[in-house]
Amino acid sequence: GAGVSQSPSNKVTEKGKDVELRCDPISGHTALYWYRQSLGQGLEFLIYFQGNSAPDKSGLPSDRFSAERTGGSVSTLTIQRTQQEDSAVYLCASSKGARRTDTQYFGPGTRLTVL
Amino acid sequence: AQTVTQSQPEMSVQEAETVTLSCTYDTSENNYYLFWYKQPPSRQMILVIRQEAYKQQNATENRFSVNFQKAAKSFSLKISDSQLGDTAMYFCAFMTRTQGGSEKLVFGKGTKLTVNP
Repeated sequence: GAGVSQSPSNKVTEKGKDVELRCDPISGHTALYWYRQSLGQGLEFLIYFQGNSAPDKSGLPSDRFSAERTGGSVSTLTIQRTQQEDSAVYLCASSKGARRTDTQYFGPGTRLTVL
Repeated sequence: AQTVTQSQPEMSVQEAETVTLSCTYDTSENNYYLFWYKQPPSRQMILVIRQEAYKQQNATENRFSVNFQKAAKSFSLKISDSQLGDTAMYFCAFMTRTQGGSEKLVFGKGTKLTVNP
């Protein structure tokens, strides 16, 4: 079956503009995660969705970041008024459930460059 | 706070040889899961191997195996018979609970492995 897909693959924007990043999880996976990978850094957790429950937003770095997940499937990460420090690769992952035994499968990421 | 440390930013190995990537972590939890992910230039993170802390036996997946030392909080990855396709960034990761109560992966900063022909 298809894996996690993300679009666009690359996004270049100007400082101050808003951007939307999309994630299509593996069909049937109820849990969805967003991570950010900055240059020279590991990945940092941003936000987590599980089924119809309220999302866990504890990793979002500022109120310029938000995400939604429609119909328990596709998710969109929105960054408002982008700053240069937002430049990074944004990775989405999904898993069958939310247990520690459930493997997270990652998409190819969106590379965001803020000029 | 849960942290993962990978002390080797870069490593290289000759094709067909064996290489070991090191990882240490810090946690106050007793039951947890550890992972090694591979990220080739395509950026796709691929699970290589995982270890459950309550299992004393080291996990193996074909050419990949781990040396899990729970008391020392060490979780190294051994790659045997290295292949050119093993060239990638390797991330050690630890599953932990977020402030919001859900589960998340905490990653080390990665080791860039180059397999030379």
